Amino acid sequence: AQSVTQLGSHVSVSEGALVLLRCNYSSSVPPYLFWYVQYPNQGLQLLLKYTTGATLVKGINGFEAEFKKSETSFHLTKPSAHMSDAAEYFCAVSRIYNQGGKLIFGQGTELSVKP
Amino acid sequence: DADVTQTPRNRITKTGKRIMLECSQTKGHDRMYWYRQDPGLGLRLIYYSFDVKDINKGEISDGYSVSRQAQAKFSLSLESAIPNQTALYFCATSDSRRDRARNEQFFGPGTRLTVL
Repeated sequence: AQSVTQLGSHVSVSEGALVLLRCNYSSSVPPYLFWYVQYPNQGLQLLLKYTTGATLVKGINGFEAEFKKSETSFHLTKPSAHMSDAAEYFCAVSRIYNQGGKLIFGQGTELSVKP
Repeated sequence: DADVTQTPRNRITKTGKRIMLECSQTKGHDRMYWYRQDPGLGLRLIYYSFDVKDINKGEISDGYSVSRQAQAKFSLSLESAIPNQTALYFCATSDSRRDRARNEQFFGPGTRLTVL
């Protein structure tokens, strides 16, 4: 069975500081991995995804994530936080051969950015 | 723009009432999903549909039912609403033909449901 764990339900950083949101997954087969962002009163928007190939994935708004198979991790980073990054972030995993076409989501991490 | 829309956006109802949440999409995607979001629990899958004739239960389907009226429409019903169904509900779509294995999903704006 697959699962996703996001470490820290709430992360607070200062504007301009590094953003690091942690995601670890459990999967018996190679996974596809996603990060979604949810701005207040909006739906989820895809930030980036890992499918195959390069393990460092770049997404929108300056975010990137690195797939580390040995650590079963897919942490999300951004070198310099901006006030507009304040949102909730979700990590999700999918099996390569579409286990029922389902995404398994982590619990979410709320990012606050202080001026 | 091709989009995923949900109606209503907000709904307050009373215990025991029947309520329907609707989702429509203009993306031409074949797969549709219903999730609920609760604080600290992330998103949990209620039902999903691969096409009009293929509907499947997710991890928390008890108390819910769905109808896929057309490829573009997927409705979620609460036959007799109860307070612990108060949550944010999201519809999502994906395209199995162009994105067979990756299962990237596209989300609607959500419906905030309150059951008193």
